[in-house]
Amino acid sequence: GAVVSQHPSWVICKSGTSVKIECRSLDFQATTMFWYRQFPKQSLMLMATSNEGSKATYEQGVEKDKFLINHASLTLSTLTVTSAHPEDSSFYICSARRRGLAGNEQFFGPGTRLTVL
Amino acid sequence: SQQGEEDPQALSIQEGENATMNCSYKTSINNLQWYRQNSGRGLVHLILIRSNEREKHSGRLRVTLDTSKKSSSLLITASRAADTASYFCASYYTGRRALTFGSGTRLQVQP
Repeated sequence: GAVVSQHPSWVICKSGTSVKIECRSLDFQATTMFWYRQFPKQSLMLMATSNEGSKATYEQGVEKDKFLINHASLTLSTLTVTSAHPEDSSFYICSARRRGLAGNEQFFGPGTRLTVL
Repeated sequence: SQQGEEDPQALSIQEGENATMNCSYKTSINNLQWYRQNSGRGLVHLILIRSNEREKHSGRLRVTLDTSKKSSSLLITASRAADTASYFCASYYTGRRALTFGSGTRLQVQP
């Protein structure tokens, strides 16, 4: 099966600091990765689509300067929450779309819980 | 934005009973998927039903799809305490590469 990992699985930081979350596809190449955010007892909301070698596409209402996305290789995408504030505390989940696979299939990472104090 | 709504938002049943969750979506789809999420954990893919299918089974799961009503249902038979989780439907909008999730149903199975 296709495995996607995230690191760290949880992080606690002080307000004003930046936090980087990594998303890796372990056994396949992913031309496209997606970043979702989930607040408690709510659904997953797409934040942005990350394309290898090009700029990410952000959903309406998501600040691209606050949530920096880098997709430097076919197996790694990073999300950096800059100048984090308590309202950024959330569960961040990435997913990866497998390169060359016909049709639509996404594989999800286990998520990263961010708590901003 | 969310693709659609799920109901009920929350469901509490006794072990052994059946649980039914409904999902409505707004646009044409190629397939619809159901996921489970244990509290604070990642997603587990349960089942995918294609737009030309009306019903699909997997173990204790039964999924139906009614494209004329733009709705789907997930039935869990003979529920167990371990089925306690949130359940989400998800699908692709036309022209969208990312899955869009429904609002979810929180299922509590009492032992």
